[in-house]
Amino acid sequence: EPEVTQTPSHQVTQMGQEVILRCVPISNHLYFYWYRQILGQKVEFLVSFYNNEISEKSEIFDDQFSVERPDGSNFTLKIRSTKLEDSAMYFCASTWGLYSGANVLTFGAGSRLTVL
Amino acid sequence: AQSVSQHNHHVILSEAASLELGCNYSYGGTVNLFWYVQYPGQHLQLLLKYFSGDPLVKGIKGFEAEFIKSKFSFNLRKPSVQWSDTAEYFCAVAGRTGANNLFFGTGTRLTVIP
Repeated sequence: EPEVTQTPSHQVTQMGQEVILRCVPISNHLYFYWYRQILGQKVEFLVSFYNNEISEKSEIFDDQFSVERPDGSNFTLKIRSTKLEDSAMYFCASTWGLYSGANVLTFGAGSRLTVL
Repeated sequence: AQSVSQHNHHVILSEAASLELGCNYSYGGTVNLFWYVQYPGQHLQLLLKYFSGDPLVKGIKGFEAEFIKSKFSFNLRKPSVQWSDTAEYFCAVAGRTGANNLFFGTGTRLTVIP
């Protein structure tokens, strides 16, 4: 069964450092997403991406965050200057279509980010 | 504003007990509804979904959920749980239009005691 793969599985960084989390969505999918889950809290939407541009972003996704699809396979989330409160599990997800019957997201296993 | 409420944070059951996890949502439009499961150390997996039609939907591993529009609810049920059902369960809603973003509840941790 096709999978969404994420790397690294766990990253520890110092506050203020830049972090790039990588995702390889399912190959025929067109819509890509990042979600995060702070320990003990709900899974929160960060950003959606389609046709090489951001479709929608939440208020969490401020100027410190950016996303990119640098080639045909990777989808990255960059945090420019990490803060303690960025510590969370970050989930990548993808789907091939938007509407009825198609909008089921497949999630990756997550990348745990720990900011010290 | 969209929101999803899951009433139980942690549920502990013995094997063979029946399960019902509550989920209520608030959304200003037509929705698609989902239950995702996260087994320890694993990724979120789709358990079942409701888009339209029969409000009683059946998912994998014997789970089912009933959409009650008048109550804005989508409760998850299983008649007899197993130890392997120990996991975190997330209810989620997505609007029928827009970028397909999922709004999740806070999750319910289910612990099944053998």
